[in-house]
Amino acid sequence: DIQMTQSPSSLSASVGDRVTITCRASQSISSNLNWYQQKPGKAPKVLIYFASSLQSGVPSRFSGSESGTDFTLTISGLQPEDFATYYCQQTYASPLTFGGGTQVEIK
Amino acid sequence: EVLLLESGGGLVQPGGSLRVSCAGSGFSFTNYGMSWVRQAPGKGLEWVSGFSGSGAGTYYGDSVKGRFTISRDNSKNTLYLQMNSLRVEDTAVYYCAKEKFTGGAWDAFDVWGQGTMVTVSS
Repeated sequence: DIQMTQSPSSLSASVGDRVTITCRASQSISSNLNWYQQKPGKAPKVLIYFASSLQSGVPSRFSGSESGTDFTLTISGLQPEDFATYYCQQTYASPLTFGGGTQVEIK
Repeated sequence: EVLLLESGGGLVQPGGSLRVSCAGSGFSFTNYGMSWVRQAPGKGLEWVSGFSGSGAGTYYGDSVKGRFTISRDNSKNTLYLQMNSLRVEDTAVYYCAKEKFTGGAWDAFDVWGQGTMVTVSS
């Protein structure tokens, strides 16, 4: 199975900060990496698919990039509504796997 | 509007069985891969099972293989998850999710249901 190692597990940031979350795959997954945002009591919402494609309706302050088996979600200018938990997911091969999550909290 | 609505969750004893359902609307259900994803209380997301967009078969996570069965009735636009030999550690919110693109292999889940809670306890 492909392991997805996400870091950090939590972070504190202020409104307006630039935030970076990283996910490392245990093997090559090409660009088959997605990012989700989840707020308490709600279903996840896709932000980025295929590593760097922005889902329709998602603000442009969210962006994704890749370098080999390392993937990054960047939030450029954190907004109050961005405080949530973020997950990466590989869809290269079954079983599909998620990273452990990053909880973004208010500093 | 594209919607997914889960139902069938509840309380079941260890070793018991339960079937959860997911009704889709607003899209051509037949053409999309569909999956179940669960989230134990206070924990992260875990992919449980799915049909890939290519329709090449059914797939399962290691923790449920041999106990859970995924199926779909395209005439009813409904996805199912039959859960047998349930364990306390299967307690979770179960979400169904739709793939973003038709055909092909796996891709991102662009629509999720609201989830249905399954509690396994004596």
